[in-house]
Amino acid sequence: KQEVTQIPAALSVPEGENLVLNCSFTDSAIYNLQWFRQDPGKGLTSLLLIQSSQREQTSGRLNASLDKSSGRSTLYIAASQPGDSATYLCAVWNNDYKLSFGAGTTVTVRA
Amino acid sequence: DAGVIQSPRHEVTEMGQEVTLRCKPISGHDYLFWYRQTMMRGLELLIYFNNNVPIDDSGMPEDRFSAKMPNASFSTLKIQPSEPRDSAVYFCASSQGDTQYFGPGTRLTVL
Repeated sequence: KQEVTQIPAALSVPEGENLVLNCSFTDSAIYNLQWFRQDPGKGLTSLLLIQSSQREQTSGRLNASLDKSSGRSTLYIAASQPGDSATYLCAVWNNDYKLSFGAGTTVTVRA
Repeated sequence: DAGVIQSPRHEVTEMGQEVTLRCKPISGHDYLFWYRQTMMRGLELLIYFNNNVPIDDSGMPEDRFSAKMPNASFSTLKIQPSEPRDSAVYFCASSQGDTQYFGPGTRLTVL
């Protein structure tokens, strides 16, 4: 069974610092990997999707890398802003078309 | 498109009552997923459909839970009878291709 771990569980940084969020998974036979953002009391918003054949994906200040062989992905958020405060979830698409989620990293960006 | 629509947004009920959660996926999406989110267990996939047909219901916790998708634009998740341990946020998501789009969720409280 796929296990997805996110470290750290929580992170607090001053505005302007770069954020590094880590995700690891136990079964490297994945279809792709997706990063989501969840605001308190809200649903999930997809941020980036990396196909298993790709090594990274970028969108604005966000960059996600994928090392399938070692079972790791990292989400980088450059020049953090208070509006980036949220919980970030890593999800792995397994070959059975089911998503396995990590527990998330809760980010607080202090103004 | 309005995105994935879920109703009700909040539901408070008493133990033993029947609860029905509703979902309208994004038009044209051929996959629909039901998830449950709790503090203890995180996000768990309960069941998913492809072209209105249930594909995998291995995540449904027990026989008290059932899900249907009578047509491409509507799905229900029913709990009968409900128990306090069913209290959680239930999300519906739909996809056509790789990215899943989540609804705002239904927060269920069973007293």
